[in-house]
Amino acid sequence: EDQVTQSPEALRLQEGESSSLNCSYTVSGLRGLFWYRQDPGKGPEFLFTLYSAGEEKEKERLKATLTKKESFLHITAPKPEDSATYLCAVQAGGGNKLTFGTGTQLKVEL
Amino acid sequence: EAGVTQFPSHSVIEKGQTVTLRCDPISGHDNLYWYRRVMGKEIKFLLHFVKESKQDESGMPNNRFLAERTGGTYSTLKVQPAELEDSGVYFCASSQDWGPPQDTQYFGPGTRLTVL
Repeated sequence: EDQVTQSPEALRLQEGESSSLNCSYTVSGLRGLFWYRQDPGKGPEFLFTLYSAGEEKEKERLKATLTKKESFLHITAPKPEDSATYLCAVQAGGGNKLTFGTGTQLKVEL
Repeated sequence: EAGVTQFPSHSVIEKGQTVTLRCDPISGHDNLYWYRRVMGKEIKFLLHFVKESKQDESGMPNNRFLAERTGGTYSTLKVQPAELEDSGVYFCASSQDWGPPQDTQYFGPGTRLTVL
């Protein structure tokens, strides 16, 4: 069974204090790893897809990387508006379903 | 372009009643998915439609849940009869295609279901 573990569960940063979120996975035949952002009361908002080890993608202050066992979401010089829950999900095998982790709740303070 | 929409946003029902949730995918997206998150747990897959056909329903918890997608457009998820453990947030997502790069799933805002 596919498994996704995210750490830490919660993270509090000062504005400008860079950090990384971790997503480790155990799957059979990874097809893609997805990062989403979720704000309270809203649905997950797509950020990145990574398909192969060594791949990196960037968007504003966010950078996602992928290895054969885990993915990192690096947040550089975060701002309060980056506060949200960040979700990692994998797609594996022949189907399209996503298997999610429980998320990292990020709070960025002034 | 309009995103995925879901109705209602909230529903509060008594145990034993029936509830129907609706999802309208992004226009042109043949793939439609249902997920749910119960309190304190991760988002879990329920099922996947390709147009009007059920491609994967391995996540449906039991036969009290019935999903339909008549005509390959919007979808409904009916829970009958509802039980306390069905409470949670039900998300719908859609994607244009199977494989990359059009396999990205875009999520709706969710329906919060409370069963009393």
